[in-house]
Amino acid sequence: AQKITQTQPGMFVQEKEAVTLDCTYDTSDPSYGLFWYKQPSSGEMIFLIYQGSYDQQNATEGRYSLNFQKARKSANLVISASQLGDSAMYFCAMSSPSGNTPLVFGKGTRLSVIA
Amino acid sequence: DADVTQTPRNRITKTGKRIMLECSQTKGHDRMYWYRQDPGLGLRLIYYSFDVKDINKGEISDGYSVSRQAQAKFSLSLESAIPNQTALYFCATSEGPGFNYGYTFGSGTRLTVV
Repeated sequence: AQKITQTQPGMFVQEKEAVTLDCTYDTSDPSYGLFWYKQPSSGEMIFLIYQGSYDQQNATEGRYSLNFQKARKSANLVISASQLGDSAMYFCAMSSPSGNTPLVFGKGTRLSVIA
Repeated sequence: DADVTQTPRNRITKTGKRIMLECSQTKGHDRMYWYRQDPGLGLRLIYYSFDVKDINKGEISDGYSVSRQAQAKFSLSLESAIPNQTALYFCATSEGPGFNYGYTFGSGTRLTVV
């Protein structure tokens, strides 16, 4: 069975600094996708970034990048130049090879950006 | 209008009452999902549907039921609400099949059972 582990319940980062949110996953399948979502205090879930298991390059979307280390089964989210608006819960999620089962989510990391 | 709309946004109900949470989408996706979020527990899957005639239980379906009235509509019911069903509920949709499809989420329904 697939499993996502986010080991950091909460983190603090100084404004303008970079921060890494950890995500490790467990699967025996060679084909899968990894997703990161942001949940600000208002509650909505916002898609940030996607990495496919066969992608050779690490995914990037603006200030977000995904540090994908396939052999270590990790998919860490890196936020560069943190902003106060980055304070939120962040969830890592994983898809199955066929996409015929729902995404599996981690328990999330609460990031607080300090001025 | 939002791609995925959940109603109501907030609801307070009494123990033992029946309540329905509604979800509608304009994405044209066949796949729809209901999750609940509790602090420290992340998102847990309640039910999902891959088309109008397909309904599947998730990891925490006890105490809940669903109805897929149309491609665009997927409702979640609590037959007899209890306080530990107090949570933030999300509806989501996705394209598929394929492992590269993520979700589009609704804004959530915050349910309190007193």
